Amino acid sequence: GAVVSQHPSWVICKSGTSVKIECRSLDFQATTMFWYRQFPKQSLMLMATSNEGSKATYEQGVEKDKFLINHASLTLSTLTVTSAHPEDSSFYICSAAGAQAYFGPGTRLTVL
Amino acid sequence: AQSVSQHNHHVILSEAASLELGCNYSYGGTVNLFWYVQYPGQHLQLLLKYFSGDPLVKGIKGFEAEFIKSKFSFNLRKPSVQWSDTAEYFCAVSSYNQGGKLIFGQGTELSVKP
Repeated sequence: GAVVSQHPSWVICKSGTSVKIECRSLDFQATTMFWYRQFPKQSLMLMATSNEGSKATYEQGVEKDKFLINHASLTLSTLTVTSAHPEDSSFYICSAAGAQAYFGPGTRLTVL
Repeated sequence: AQSVSQHNHHVILSEAASLELGCNYSYGGTVNLFWYVQYPGQHLQLLLKYFSGDPLVKGIKGFEAEFIKSKFSFNLRKPSVQWSDTAEYFCAVSSYNQGGKLIFGQGTELSVKP
């Protein structure tokens, strides 16, 4: 099946700093990618839809100025958590839309 | 708005027992339905999916699911579980024309005792 990678796989940062997470579709082009957030022992919550060459579409309650999404190419979407705080600590997962949704392995963010 | 409900938060079974995990969704239009599995420390893997056709769908590792449109349900079944099936299971739905945009259920943790 198709492969989606995420980088980094885990990151620890200080409160107030920004963190960028990359999502790449390695063997297919994805005009649409999705970003999810998963808290421990909970389900995946859709944060936003990333569209190549246009603005992302955010789900209700997700701060677009805090979670910046850029989808500059057909194989790369980035999520930047700006001015991160401890409550932003979570597991962030991307998926790329191909014949079906292909999920990346996730990025664990810990904000101290 | 779409929503997905999984009835069981945590299921504990012995090996060889039969499994059925409930999933109900709320959406008025045509949907695509999915079951994903997340093994400890690993990323999501697709178990099976329903787009159209035969409502009984067979997936990997001996899992199957039945789409019952009148009940808005898509329950996951396996006749005989193994210890290696211990994992978190997620039901998900997408609207027919929204590709990979998935709404997930709360997840069911399955623990299989050897």
